[in-house]
Amino acid sequence: DQQVKQNSPSLSVQEGRISILNCDYTNSMFDYFLWYKKYPAEGPTFLISISSIKDKNEDGRFTVFLNKSAKHLSLHIVPSQPGDSAVYFCAASANGNKLVFGAGTILRVKS
Amino acid sequence: DAGVIQSPRHEVTEMGQEVTLRCKPISGHNSLFWYRQTMMRGLELLIYFNNNVPIDDSGMPEDRFSAKMPNASFSTLKIQPSEPRDSAVYFCASSERSYGYTFGSGTRLTVV
Repeated sequence: DQQVKQNSPSLSVQEGRISILNCDYTNSMFDYFLWYKKYPAEGPTFLISISSIKDKNEDGRFTVFLNKSAKHLSLHIVPSQPGDSAVYFCAASANGNKLVFGAGTILRVKS
Repeated sequence: DAGVIQSPRHEVTEMGQEVTLRCKPISGHNSLFWYRQTMMRGLELLIYFNNNVPIDDSGMPEDRFSAKMPNASFSTLKIQPSEPRDSAVYFCASSERSYGYTFGSGTRLTVV
């Protein structure tokens, strides 16, 4: 039973436009959420995170939104750049315990 | 800092053979995690250690999988005997606090 779900295997966006990656979770005990980015032949790297006490966190072109009632979070990238093309993993944790990852979404930004 | 170092980068082996994957965490990190990446399930946690002690191995798929951390600077993940369905990319990660995971570059395992 996957507790963190990324239902879109892939997303294609034009350079300069907004990319929106979505993530749903089932465990109401999750209190911290993260997004990781992964390039081919490399390990995932941390991108941005949000605590459950917030509903938005912004870092440059990247913004994460959290909707606790819907158990949904999203990552917005504005404007999208070709270098953003990668696999994006959503992850969640409860009480500082192990991170549970989703299956990932492949983002392709076309120039 | 060289980061989390995994070896080998690629491993091709025949079904039934023993496979050993290696990981050197970042010095000072007290937690170490082994993940497996597949297309269907994404990143699955296999096992993690805290201060060299296995804390949660509920993700280890079968008894064919075993992991050890004999000291703070080294861990192994062993599959014996290996099967074609074990083919995946295996990642090691370490952290010094709850959420600051640093991943290695992974080992791509192919079992034929």
